[in-house]
Amino acid sequence: EPEVTQTPSHQVTQMGQEVILRCVPISNHLYFYWYRQILGQKVEFLVSFYNNEISEKSEIFDDQFSVERPDGSNFTLKIRSTKLEDSAMYFCASSGGGLYGYTFGSGTRLTVV
Amino acid sequence: AQTVTQSQPEMSVQEAETVTLSCTYDTSESDYYLFWYKQPPSRQMILVIRQEAYKQQNATENRFSVNFQKAAKSFSLKISDSQLGDAAMYFCAYRTQTGANNLFFGTGTRLTVIP
Repeated sequence: EPEVTQTPSHQVTQMGQEVILRCVPISNHLYFYWYRQILGQKVEFLVSFYNNEISEKSEIFDDQFSVERPDGSNFTLKIRSTKLEDSAMYFCASSGGGLYGYTFGSGTRLTVV
Repeated sequence: AQTVTQSQPEMSVQEAETVTLSCTYDTSESDYYLFWYKQPPSRQMILVIRQEAYKQQNATENRFSVNFQKAAKSFSLKISDSQLGDAAMYFCAYRTQTGANNLFFGTGTRLTVIP
């Protein structure tokens, strides 16, 4: 069964540093998403991406965040200057649309120290 | 804005018994999708079951079934013959049929299965 692949599985970074989280969505999917989950809390929407541009973003997704699909297969989330409160599990997901929901990656645990 | 409410932060069930997890949602839309996701300790998000709002028939996937009450905006998950591997966080999620089709999650229910 096709998978969404996320790397790295765990990243530790110093506050103020830039991080890039990587995702390889399912190849024939058209919609791509980033969600995050702070430990013990619910999963929150960050951004959706379609047709090579952001289609929607949440209040969380401020100027410190950006997304890219640099080569037609990878889908990245960049945090320019990490803060302690960015520590969370970050999930990438892709969708073909319609009923078939999302396929989530296994997540990247980001720890900001 | 769509909101999803799971009023049971924790539930427990004896192995082989049946448990029902509650979910309600608020929306002004008539067409949408509903999902239940399972998150085991590995923290991966695994799709358990899905339901289209325009379908009256409740979805079923093996031991998992839903009770979808559109008028009441209720979408509960029933797990029959509970197994130890069912222990996890369960998230109810709502998805619009328009726009970017974002998922809105509830706060989750932690299910413990007692041997």
